[in-house]
Amino acid sequence: KAGVTQTPRYLIKTRGQQVTLSCSPISGHRSVSWYQQTPGQGLQFLFEYFSETQRNKGNFPGRFSGRQFSNSRSEMNVSTLELGDSALYLCASSLEGSNSPLHFGNGTRLTVT
Amino acid sequence: TQLLEQSPQFLSIQEGENLTVYCNSSSVFSSLQWYRQEPGEGPVLLVTVVTGGEVKKLKRLTFQFGDARKDSSLHITAAQPGDTGLYLCAGRTLNDYKLSFGAGTTVTVRA
Repeated sequence: KAGVTQTPRYLIKTRGQQVTLSCSPISGHRSVSWYQQTPGQGLQFLFEYFSETQRNKGNFPGRFSGRQFSNSRSEMNVSTLELGDSALYLCASSLEGSNSPLHFGNGTRLTVT
Repeated sequence: TQLLEQSPQFLSIQEGENLTVYCNSSSVFSSLQWYRQEPGEGPVLLVTVVTGGEVKKLKRLTFQFGDARKDSSLHITAAQPGDTGLYLCAGRTLNDYKLSFGAGTTVTVRA
């Protein structure tokens, strides 16, 4: 069974640009969550999608948005990039969310210059 | 401030030694999970504990959930270089759906 796939693995952008990250969950998993990981803050929850609906949202500005498609694949978009957005962005899928175990992808490393 | 406080932040030990990592909070959790993350990869789930006082063993790893469901510990016996990684605890409180993570403990086991 294929794991969670995130693309691209690495991205370099400049301030003010926007970026779209992609996540393909494990087949059959309907919940996709996104996390931002930085050395100083650890893993911070961005949002969770279930059956194409945002079910939960963390404390990030509106520049961070996402969506989920009917095949459960998810995208995350960050507009007007800032230097502080440099981080590892992790996507995790699970069967139902709730107490189901999270299966993480290997992340997208975003560097903003 | 983090909802879950992990200690220590860094731990470096010799192969064969034992180690314990702690995860504490003032909040009560419905469940608590431990993950290990290696460089360049995403976190991988090690265990989920749901009952206060629960102890789970996974080979050389022993996980304990506090009686009040506010804290947890991970103990590794006879550590090996393959145990090297970032250990993360994560939990859901009774009032919050999302999974909150601790900042992690970086464990280095020297051969």
